[in-house]
Amino acid sequence: DVKVTQSSRYLVKRTGEKVFLECVQDMDHENMFWYRQDPGLGLRLIYFSYDVKMKEKGDIPEGYSVSREKKERFSLILESASTNQTSMYLCASSPGRGEAFFGQGTRLTVV
Amino acid sequence: QKEVEQNSGPLSVPEGAIASLNCTYSDRGSQSFFWYRQYSGKSPELIMSIYSNGDKEDGRFTAQLNKASQYVSLLIRDSQPSDSATYLCAVTPDSGYALNFGKGTSLLVTP
Repeated sequence: DVKVTQSSRYLVKRTGEKVFLECVQDMDHENMFWYRQDPGLGLRLIYFSYDVKMKEKGDIPEGYSVSREKKERFSLILESASTNQTSMYLCASSPGRGEAFFGQGTRLTVV
Repeated sequence: QKEVEQNSGPLSVPEGAIASLNCTYSDRGSQSFFWYRQYSGKSPELIMSIYSNGDKEDGRFTAQLNKASQYVSLLIRDSQPSDSATYLCAVTPDSGYALNFGKGTSLLVTP
C-alpha cells in the first residue's frame, strides 16, 4: 500500500511564526503536492513538485514556499503564519499524471 | 481554469437504496477520472478510477464515464450508513500534473 505520512495531525502556531509542514512518501513517486482544504472552497493546490529540487506554483502559492531535497520528502513552509492560513493541509503523491494518494492531513490553527 | 462541477448536496438516500453522484468537467483533453471518498475530518481516499467510456464496477461501486458529454458518475448500490461521506470527483488535466478536483457532494445514508 502507498503510504504518505504527514508529520503532524494537529498544529497550533502564533501569528508571524515560520511553520514547517513535512510530508514523506514511501512509494518512490515522482510527483508530490500540497493542498489546503477549506469549507465551501474545496481542495486548492498550493505547490507541486515533479522531481527533486523542482517545484511549480499552484493556484494559491502566496505566503507559502516548498522544499524537495529528497525524492521521498516534500516540505511546505509558511514564511510568516497568518490567521487566514488556518486550514486543513493535505499532502499527496502520485506516480505520474494519474491518481494521487493523500496523507492523513494536518489541521493548522494560527492564533 | 479547468472546471470540475459537482452538486454540493447533501444527497440523502435511505439505507439499501442506490446513491447516484454526478460530475461534469470542462477540459475535453482529460483522460483519467477518479472518485475519492472523504469522511469528516479525514483525508480523501481513492475508491474508483475510470479511463474509458462505459461502466466500471468494483463491489457495490460503479463508475460511469461519457467523454462526449464530459460526464462522470458514481453509483453506490445497497447504500450503508457507513457510506455517509463527501465524494470528490477528480480529473487529470490535458496538460500538467495535478488533478482538478470538484468541491464534492455530501452523501447521507439514513437508517
